[in-house]
Amino acid sequence: NAGVTQTPKFQVLKTGQSMTLQCAQDMNHEYMSWYRQDPGMGLRLIHYSVGAGITDQGEVPNGYNVSRSTTEDFPLRLLSAAPSQTSVYFCASSYFAQPYRDNYGYTFGSGTRLTVV
Amino acid sequence: KNEVEQSPQNLTAQEGEFITINCSYSVGISALHWLQQHPGGGIVSLFMLSSGKKKHGRLIATINIQEKHSSLHITASHPRDSAVYICAVNAGGTSYGKLTFGQGTILTVHP
Repeated sequence: NAGVTQTPKFQVLKTGQSMTLQCAQDMNHEYMSWYRQDPGMGLRLIHYSVGAGITDQGEVPNGYNVSRSTTEDFPLRLLSAAPSQTSVYFCASSYFAQPYRDNYGYTFGSGTRLTVV
Repeated sequence: KNEVEQSPQNLTAQEGEFITINCSYSVGISALHWLQQHPGGGIVSLFMLSSGKKKHGRLIATINIQEKHSSLHITASHPRDSAVYICAVNAGGTSYGKLTFGQGTILTVHP
């Protein structure tokens, strides 16, 4: 089925460990992004990409790295996990250009619940 | 002050009631989105608006660009509508593509 696939769904890490959250989409969307969702804080943008080879920082980028080697994949790397990175992470994709297109909407992955102990 | 403010934060209704959730924003935008998130679930895009009004089944979304305000209406509400409803905007100019979110409105519909 077309959509955004995020893996894993759940993960527990020890402080200092590293890991990669995977995100893949099969809709040929140019724009991909990572958000974290925390109680009382809402959703906040971590990193985003407007196409293969192009990435940029969002609102809360510290402690995270991204790369975009293909249109389909946009992995999020936690370099050295900290308890403050305990959160639910969502990947989303959309068409980037022509925001007034009728079908310009976002498709979200099902989320990754990460706990850092 | 947040760039995107939603009201109310919590809303309780009886099945069949007409529901309105409001969203105000303080920046120029290229588009506004309404999203739905069920408890423990993923996020689904309901509407994208740049002007006027859109309808999808029992859901209606409106936007007033001059007043920087949008509303999401649910007619004949049902317990399955219980979810968090999130307003998000694409700021104008070169930052479109990036979303700024409201805090969300928690809707509970009782049978």
